[in-house]
Amino acid sequence: GAGVSQSPSNKVTEKGKDVELRCDPISGHTALYWYRQSLGQGLEFLIYFQGNSAPDKSGLPSDRFSAERTGGSVSTLTIQRTQQEDSAVYLCASSPRTSGRGDTQYFGPGTRLTVL
Amino acid sequence: DQQVKQNSPSLSVQEGRISILNCDYTNSMFDYFLWYKKYPAEGPTFLISISSIKDKNEDGRFTVFLNKSAKHLSLHIVPSQPGDSAVYFCAAFHSGTYKYIFGTGTRLKVLA
Repeated sequence: GAGVSQSPSNKVTEKGKDVELRCDPISGHTALYWYRQSLGQGLEFLIYFQGNSAPDKSGLPSDRFSAERTGGSVSTLTIQRTQQEDSAVYLCASSPRTSGRGDTQYFGPGTRLTVL
Repeated sequence: DQQVKQNSPSLSVQEGRISILNCDYTNSMFDYFLWYKKYPAEGPTFLISISSIKDKNEDGRFTVFLNKSAKHLSLHIVPSQPGDSAVYFCAAFHSGTYKYIFGTGTRLKVLA
């Protein structure tokens, strides 16, 4: 079956430009997460969506970062006025959230963002 | 403040031997712990998990041990195979926030 997809796979942009990263979760998965992995670092939590509830934005590093999830499915992470320190791999994951346990997350392949 | 730590950035093991990957955490409220494997240019894939009420979970060649008093978990791979070469992340889950906190990863290289 179809897994989590992300686009673009690679994005090179100039400092100061805005970028949009897209995530298509697995159909029927109600939970969606965005993470960032900088060089040599672990996965840094950014934002979490669950159904129609207000998202948990506690991981967003600055107000230049925002995310939407339309219709409980596709999500877009937007970074405004990009800075060089935004360069990282941005990973999206979805999970079915069928219980209060740690449901398995299914990750997309990531978008590698390079800010020149 | 790193709540989940993997202090060994890399590990090399001979094929057929045991690989032991370690992870420490600070928050006693975590409910579940998970291990993910990541190959280059791919997203992490789930490997094995353990509930905080258990001390061991086994799945084929993979066993995860949890020592709650020490706030420590480990992943054992026996026997190690060259295809196991990847970066391994441990993650801790908090049911109150529904957040997963990841460690920085350990790069495992299994030598043929």
